[in-house]
Amino acid sequence: KAGVTQTPRYLIKTRGQQVTLSCSPISGHRSVSWYQQTPGQGLQFLFEYFSETQRNKGNFPGRFSGRQFSNSRSEMNVSTLELGDSALYLCASSSRTSGGGETQYFGPGTRLLVL
Amino acid sequence: KNQVEQSPQSLIILEGKNCTLQCNYTVSPFSNLRWYKQDTGRGPVSLTIMTFSENTKSNGRYTATLDADTKQSSLHITASQLSDSASYICVVIDSWGKFQFGAGTQVVVTP
Repeated sequence: KAGVTQTPRYLIKTRGQQVTLSCSPISGHRSVSWYQQTPGQGLQFLFEYFSETQRNKGNFPGRFSGRQFSNSRSEMNVSTLELGDSALYLCASSSRTSGGGETQYFGPGTRLLVL
Repeated sequence: KNQVEQSPQSLIILEGKNCTLQCNYTVSPFSNLRWYKQDTGRGPVSLTIMTFSENTKSNGRYTATLDADTKQSSLHITASQLSDSASYICVVIDSWGKFQFGAGTQVVVTP
C-alpha cells in the first residue's frame, strides 16, 4: 500500500499570499487530520475530516481552512499568510475517526516558508 | 497550560545505553496515549498505542508504560542505537477524539 502523500514538499510564499496544500491518504482511509509543527510550539492539531465532513477543529484562526473530497483526498488552505505561518504542515490518515485505537499514519509534510 | 508535559526536553546518551522518557498529562476524559518517533525532516511514526486498561506495551526495543491513576507514561529505549536519534512525542487523545501533543523529547545517541 502506498503511504500518505503530501504535495508540494516545499513551498516559499510572501506575506499576504494564500497557499493550498494537498494530502492523499492511504487507500481505504477515510479520516484525514492536519497538523502544524513549529520548533517553538511543537505539533498542533488543525482539523480532522471524515467522509468529507469536518469532525474536529483546533484553535487556529479562520485563515486556516480545509476540505475533503469524495475520494478522501484533502486540501488545506491558508489565506493572508503571516510570517508566523512558516512551519511544517503534516497530514495523517487513519482508517476511522480519531479517538479509538487505530494508528495514524503521517505523511512527510509540506515545509512552508513565509517571507 | 499544555495538558501533556514531557521530560526531559532533550538528552544525549551513549550508543548501547538505556534511557527513559517521561510524559505527564492532565487530559480528561482519557481515551488513549500514543508515543511517536519523528526523525528530522520526516513525519512522526507511531511506536505504541495504549488504552486505559493497558500498563505496558512493547515495540522492539521500545517499551511504553502507562499509569492511568497518576496520569503518567514513560517510554524506555533499550540498548540504544544511532538510529534512535530523533524526537519522541507523547500524544494523549480524549474521549471526543481530540489530540493533545507534548512538546517532545529530543534524543541524541552518540557513538
